[in-house]
Amino acid sequence: DAKTTQPTSMDCAEGRAANLPCNHSTISGNEYVYWYRQIHSQGPQYIIHGLKNNETNEMASLIITEDRKSSTLILPHATLRDTAVYYCIVRGYTGANSKLTFGKGITLSVRP
Amino acid sequence: GAVVSQHPSWVICKSGTSVKIECRSLDFQATTMFWYRQFPKQSLMLMATSNEGSKATYEQGVEKDKFLINHASLTLSTLTVTSAHPEDSSFYICSARDTIRESYTFGSGTRLTVV
Repeated sequence: DAKTTQPTSMDCAEGRAANLPCNHSTISGNEYVYWYRQIHSQGPQYIIHGLKNNETNEMASLIITEDRKSSTLILPHATLRDTAVYYCIVRGYTGANSKLTFGKGITLSVRP
Repeated sequence: GAVVSQHPSWVICKSGTSVKIECRSLDFQATTMFWYRQFPKQSLMLMATSNEGSKATYEQGVEKDKFLINHASLTLSTLTVTSAHPEDSSFYICSARDTIRESYTFGSGTRLTVV
């Protein structure tokens, strides 16, 4: 079972920041938070991942709360091409826990 | 970045026949690959974990004799859907784990339609 909960959907205006929340209250100390997105009929695309510290790359920023029970993915300047289903996934480090288990994700709609 | 190639991108087959889907990691070695299935308007469901040189580990409810997985090299895993039926029609997606970069890269998926 997925270890995360996300809202079903949200929208934002093009050019504005999109903040996608994720709750993972049962996360363990050695579990990572991964974010992927899936555009219709394509394979999931990696966005970012983190353990404890906030992370930033060319696509997005990941803000993890100090207690690690929740996180927020930030797309700083959303475009129409960012419309997709975004998945927040908690992953263990080794063995059976190292697989990625997808929840329902959040559908982000970017409006013009 | 890491690239995973999945073929074919779509296939139509007759009931009772078998279909093979290939998943290749192009620029990294993947000791572990994963196979998912996705039905319309649903999330990805993990079917099995494929380990190079050993037997695959199947998720509960997935028939290992129907979905044959072979991971004979560090860059190739195959999924064979045997004796396919219309209910096997789905979007199949593979993923390869790069333990050096600690990343998981997904293929572009295969749309299987069984008629």
